[in-house]
Amino acid sequence: GAGVSQSPRYKVAKRGQDVALRCDPISGHVSLFWYQQALGQGPEFLTYFQNEAQLDKSGLPSDRFFAERPEGSVSTLKIQRTQQEDSAVYLCASTPRGEQFFGPGTRLTVL
Amino acid sequence: GNSVTQMEGPVTLSEEAFLTINCTYTATGYPSLFWYVQYPGEGLQLLLKATKADDKGSNKGFEATYRKETTSFHLEKGSVQVSDSAVYFCALSDGNTGGFKTIFGAGTRLFVKA
Repeated sequence: GAGVSQSPRYKVAKRGQDVALRCDPISGHVSLFWYQQALGQGPEFLTYFQNEAQLDKSGLPSDRFFAERPEGSVSTLKIQRTQQEDSAVYLCASTPRGEQFFGPGTRLTVL
Repeated sequence: GNSVTQMEGPVTLSEEAFLTINCTYTATGYPSLFWYVQYPGEGLQLLLKATKADDKGSNKGFEATYRKETTSFHLEKGSVQVSDSAVYFCALSDGNTGGFKTIFGAGTRLFVKA
């Protein structure tokens, strides 16, 4: 596609619900990143994939957060038992090597 | 650990004014440095980058020079336009660009008045 796409763009969840956020990277991009951006803050690193391998998940805030990229293309970030503090914009970025191309983000609101 | 500190906003300027947004970093190695911009309603975009000391990144009239001695990467533009109104993020990346996680500053919101 023309750029990185993410879906849904907006998600409202009740506390305790599970959510799944999808990222479609630019075709052929090897590396994929997930970031969490709280209101008024810069993006914070969550996890990184190179192809299907998750090479760094040091930024995942708890074991309720799980990411996968089983075929080295589309990635899904799953949050189990959502809490209010999970409310943020979740950004995905992909790169062949070099500049990171960001998607528009998914705004998650947990009530 | 590595970190980025940038000046707090918002910054409000009149059109054609000179812009400086300060950014300093802490890093153990030799990071690449970036400025990203987020226009209203849009995603993050790379504005410019520098990969080694004394490099100058430039794009759309914006410039920033990688200063290792002062660990700084200040963003400058000689004459801002209303269309430059956005949030600007300074960032660094360990190792080679893109292959490692990027650490962002908190962002500086710029308002340019006509």
